[in-house]
Amino acid sequence: AQSVTQLGSHVSVSEGALVLLRCNYSSSVPPYLFWYVQYPNQGLQLLLKYTSAATLVKGINGFEAEFKKSETSFHLTKPSAHMSDAAEYFCAVSDIYKLSFGAGTTVTVRA
Amino acid sequence: NAGVTQTPKFRVLKTGQSMTLLCAQDMNHEYMYWYRQDPGMGLRLIHYSVGEGTTAKGEVPDGYNVSRLKKQNFLLGLESAAPSQTSVYFCASSLASGRMAQFFGPGTRLTVL
Repeated sequence: AQSVTQLGSHVSVSEGALVLLRCNYSSSVPPYLFWYVQYPNQGLQLLLKYTSAATLVKGINGFEAEFKKSETSFHLTKPSAHMSDAAEYFCAVSDIYKLSFGAGTTVTVRA
Repeated sequence: NAGVTQTPKFRVLKTGQSMTLLCAQDMNHEYMYWYRQDPGMGLRLIHYSVGEGTTAKGEVPDGYNVSRLKKQNFLLGLESAAPSQTSVYFCASSLASGRMAQFFGPGTRLTVL
């Protein structure tokens, strides 16, 4: 079975600082990986997805993620945090039918 | 284009009561999903459907039933609600295949007393 593990349930960053959210995956086949964001009291929306076309994936709102097969990782980064980035972020891996989500990482941004 | 909509947004039930949550999508998507979200546990898949008339069990199906009589609608039923089913429920859809992006509804907050 495929699964993901998100390291750190809470991350606090200063405005303008680097945002780094960690995700490791387990998969017996080449994985399809996703990052979703959930703003307070809303549903999830797609940030970016990896489908083996390129190891560095660019998403919306300045986020990007790098697929590293040797480390089974798909970490999410943003060079400069903005107050509007405060949200919960979910890493997910898919099989042909469905997604399996990590437990989520809540990001708070300090002014 | 409304995307994915969920009805109702909030509901309070007493233990043993039943209810149905409605999910509708207007994107002509084949796949639809029901998740529950609980603090610290991410989203867990309850049931899913890969097309009209089909349903399948997800990770946590016990206590729930689903139906997909029309392509655009996916219903989630609780026959006899329990306090353990207090959660936020999200519906999602994707064009085809779990490997495509899923689009989520705004959620339904259910409390079972």
